[in-house]
Amino acid sequence: DQQVKQNSPSLSVQEGRISILNCDYTNSMFDYFLWYKKYPAEGPTFLISISSIKDKNEDGRFTVFLNKSAKHLSLHIVPSQPGDSAVYFCAAGGARGGADGLTFGKGTHLIIQP
Amino acid sequence: ETGVTQTPRHLVMGMTNKKSLKCEQHLGHNAMYWYKQSAKKPLELMFVYNFKEQTENNSVPSRFSPECPNSSHLFLHLHTLQPEDSALYLCASSQNGGVGTQYFGPGTRLLVL
Repeated sequence: DQQVKQNSPSLSVQEGRISILNCDYTNSMFDYFLWYKKYPAEGPTFLISISSIKDKNEDGRFTVFLNKSAKHLSLHIVPSQPGDSAVYFCAAGGARGGADGLTFGKGTHLIIQP
Repeated sequence: ETGVTQTPRHLVMGMTNKKSLKCEQHLGHNAMYWYKQSAKKPLELMFVYNFKEQTENNSVPSRFSPECPNSSHLFLHLHTLQPEDSALYLCASSQNGGVGTQYFGPGTRLLVL
């Protein structure tokens, strides 16, 4: 039973437009959420995180939104650039900020079209 | 050397072989993790070490044996693996008790024949 779900295996967006990646979770004990980006033959790279006490966190072109009541988070990338083409993983951790290990979604492959 | 490094990057082994994966972190962290990523599956947590003590074993078969001699090094000893154990094995580290952001190594691509 997947506790973190990314229902879109892939997403294609035109360069310069906004990319929106979605993630749903089922475990209400999750307290800390992260987005990772992964290129082929590399490990996941941390992008941005948000704790459950917030509903938004912004870092440059990346913004993560958290809707706790809906158990939903999303990653917005604006404007999208060709280098953003990668697989994006949503991850969630428990009360210790994920220090006990993270639960990951299957990933969404983002393709930025020129 | 910076970040989290893993060796080897690629490994092919037979079912009767014994091999070890190595992870080293240069970030001053004191928690380390092993994850497994199989094809078309999410990353799955295998083991967690906090201050060199194993605090999590996520129902991993005994043919996988972790070792954490100090807070900078983590090993995964492999023996009598099965073909379905073929996967990408990722190591991560984090600052225990902090916000929990984990930093990953590049992974070891394992093929069991």
